[in-house]
Amino acid sequence: DIVLTQSPTTLSVTPGETVSLSCRASHSIGINLHWYQQKTNESPRLLIKYASQSISGSPSKFSASGSGTDFTLNINSVEFDDVSSYFCQQTQNWPLTFGSGTKLEIK
Amino acid sequence: EVQLVESGGGLVRPGKSMKLSCAASGFTFSNYYMAWVRKAPAKGLEWVASINAGGGKTYYRDSVKGRFSISRDDAKSTLYLQMDSLRSEDTATYYCARLVDDWGQGVMVTVSS
Repeated sequence: DIVLTQSPTTLSVTPGETVSLSCRASHSIGINLHWYQQKTNESPRLLIKYASQSISGSPSKFSASGSGTDFTLNINSVEFDDVSSYFCQQTQNWPLTFGSGTKLEIK
Repeated sequence: EVQLVESGGGLVRPGKSMKLSCAASGFTFSNYYMAWVRKAPAKGLEWVASINAGGGKTYYRDSVKGRFSISRDDAKSTLYLQMDSLRSEDTATYYCARLVDDWGQGVMVTVSS
């Protein structure tokens, strides 16, 4: 199985900061890596697909990059509405796997 | 607008069965792979099963193989998950998804005596 390791586990930031979240795959997955935001008691919401493709209707403050085994999600100018957990997912191989998530908190 | 609406969750005793349904609308259901993903309390997201367009291929995570069965009725635009021999570790919110783009609101399944 492909293991996705996300770091950090928790990130506490000041409003206005720009942050980077990491997702590392145990094996190369090309660009078959997707990022989701999940707020408490809500379903996951797709932010970025195929490593760097923005989603129509998704705020431009979210961007991502990477390929192979190293991937990064960037969030510009963090605000209170961004408080969520962020998950990465690979669709390169079965079984599909998710990272354990990064929880974003606001100081 | 894509809509995925799950139903059929609730409380069930260990060893019993439950069937989840997901009514899809806003897209041509028959053209897409569909999936079930779950999230247990205080845990991360976990893919459960997928089915290809047409229903000829199914895929499962190891922990549910032989116990869960994913199926679809394209005429009704509905996805199903038959869950047998349920265990306490199957307790989770189950999401129907048109991976990667669209997710339902989720339905809670609690396996407890």
